[in-house]
Amino acid sequence: GAVVSQHPSWVICKSGTSVKIECRSLDFQATTMFWYRQFPKQSLMLMATSNEGSKATYEQGVEKDKFLINHASLTLSTLTVTSAHPEDSSFYICSARDHSNQPQHFGDGTRLSIL
Amino acid sequence: QKEVEQNSGPLSVPEGAIASLNCTYSDRVSQSFFWYRQYSGKSPELIMSIYSNGDKEDGRFTAQLNKASQYVSLLIRDSQPSDSATYLCAVNGPTNAGKSTFGDGTTLTVKP
Repeated sequence: GAVVSQHPSWVICKSGTSVKIECRSLDFQATTMFWYRQFPKQSLMLMATSNEGSKATYEQGVEKDKFLINHASLTLSTLTVTSAHPEDSSFYICSARDHSNQPQHFGDGTRLSIL
Repeated sequence: QKEVEQNSGPLSVPEGAIASLNCTYSDRVSQSFFWYRQYSGKSPELIMSIYSNGDKEDGRFTAQLNKASQYVSLLIRDSQPSDSATYLCAVNGPTNAGKSTFGDGTTLTVKP
């Protein structure tokens, strides 16, 4: 089956630091990758959609300068949370898909805690 | 009206029973339909994909799609406590810019 690897699994860091999260598709080419955020007991919230080689498309209300997304290859996308603050603490999940009519396959998520 | 609607639950069934999870969608031209399971504190995992009207069975899971009624369901036979999770319905189509539209999920509890 399609496997998506996401690292790191959890991060604890001080306020003001930047955190990079990697998302890799291991056995398929991910033409599109998605980044989600989920707060406890809440629904998935799509942050942005990225297509390989293109700029990411951000959802309304998501600051593109704060959440930097790079999708430089068909197997790797990164999300960098810049100058993170406690309110950025959340569960960040990536997913990847090859064709538009195919399902998304999710990474295991990254639990981010900003002190 | 939400684009993809699910009963939030919680839905509680006894062990061994059939759990029925329902999802309706508003975009009539939707083409692809998926069910995901999300355990508490974990990321979603794909259970079923369905693309054409009718039933699709995979083990204890059966997905049912009725495009005329804009309705998709998931049946879980012989429910087990390990099936306790939140089930997400997702819909793809040409009008949602290549994204999947997710419902908010139905929380299922299977009681031993």
